[in-house]
This record gives sequence, C-alpha cells and structure tokens, in this order.
Amino acid sequence: EVQLVQSGAEVKKSGESLKISCKGSGYSFTNYWIGWVRQMPGKGLEWMGIIYPGDSDTRYSPSFQGQVTMSADKSISTAYLQWSSLKASDTAMYYCARLLGAAPAYYFDYWGQGTLVTVSS
Amino acid sequence: QSVLTQPPSVSGAPGQRVTISCTGSFSNIGAGFGLHWYQHLPGTAPKLLIYDNTLRPSGVPDRFSGSKSGTSASLAITGLQAEDEADYYCQSYDSSLSAYVFGTGTKVTVL
Repeated sequence: EVQLVQSGAEVKKSGESLKISCKGSGYSFTNYWIGWVRQMPGKGLEWMGIIYPGDSDTRYSPSFQGQVTMSADKSISTAYLQWSSLKASDTAMYYCARLLGAAPAYYFDYWGQGTLVTVSS
Repeated sequence: QSVLTQPPSVSGAPGQRVTISCTGSFSNIGAGFGLHWYQHLPGTAPKLLIYDNTLRPSGVPDRFSGSKSGTSASLAITGLQAEDEADYYCQSYDSSLSAYVFGTGTKVTVL
C-alpha cells in the first residue's frame, strides 16, 4: 500500500528555521516525483514545487522560488521542505503528494496527511 | 490568483445532480494537458477523484464523472450524498507558467 507520512505539527516564531518531512512507503520512492502543496487558513491549494528523489532534480513554483528549499534523502525514502527564516505568513497546512501520469501533465495520486505549521510573530 | 476558475459554491439536495465548472485557457486546459479533480475535506488529505479529464481511480464511485471541452472542464456528481459535502479542486499544468495549477476551489453543500 502506497503511503506518505508527514511529520507532526510545528509551532515556531518568526525568524526561526524549520524542516518538515514526508516519508514514502509501499512503492519505489526514487522513481516518482514528490510535490509540495500549501493551504493557507481558509484558502485553496497552491502548488509549491516538486522534487525527483532519484537525483534530487527540483522545480519550484515562481511564487515559492527562494522562499523554501526542497530536498530528499533516498536512502530513507524521505522528502523535506525547509525554511531558513519563517514568517507569520508561512502559517499554513503543507501537504506532500506523489506525482503520476505523463510529463509534464502529472497529477497527485497519493497525499500525505498534512503538516500544520503555525508561525507567531 | 489562480489561472483555473471555479464557482465558489454549489449546492443540491440528496439524490440530485450537481456540476462544478473549471475554466482555464489555451496554456492549460486548452493546450491538451490533462485536467484532474480532487475532493478535500478540511483537515484531511485531498483525494484524487478524476484524472486525465474523465478517468476514475479504483475505488471512486461512478457517481463522479469528468468531462472536458475546449478551455473548460466539468465535474458532475450524481445521486448526491451527505458524504459528498466537501471542497473540490481542479488541477492542470500550465505551459506559460511552467507550473502546476489548482482551481480556486468549490464548496459543495448538501441541503
């Protein structure tokens, strides 16, 4: 069974750093792109970027380029999303999801349960 | 600001049919890229409902169906049930932005 399990909720202060994780199981982790999606309170879904764990090739949404860093450790089937200096506006639920389909028209077939990040000023 | 536009809300009585539209442009839906639909109950993981315009993943009831025409697509829910009350999002790829894009989202209410 394909599963993506994300790390737990985080409460941080502005200016702090953070790294959240997404561990895949039940499939060949290195052979599928992993995407990150943000949902701010009361808002819709926003695509942040994708990473290919096999070679760590990464594509960022222009809206998130330079704001976050995506990485992956294929030895432990885990993808990461990190911030070097959080802002209050980073408060949101963050989802990881596996991509499937024919490039570039991928869709997200399996999703993690989400990681709630709360940043206080 | 999303490039895929959906109505903010739709509603229907149990058993009725509702449709949700997703309007894009020639750089996404109209370019022939697949259009996909997700169901999202807040606080839970979004669920893939329809992929590549019309296809249903295993386990998704056939009450859910998708269609596409030109630069628009639609999700239809027939035999509406209380458990269908959720947010629904369309998603595609946009070649002008080189980005994956989600629709603005539609809240379905079962009266």
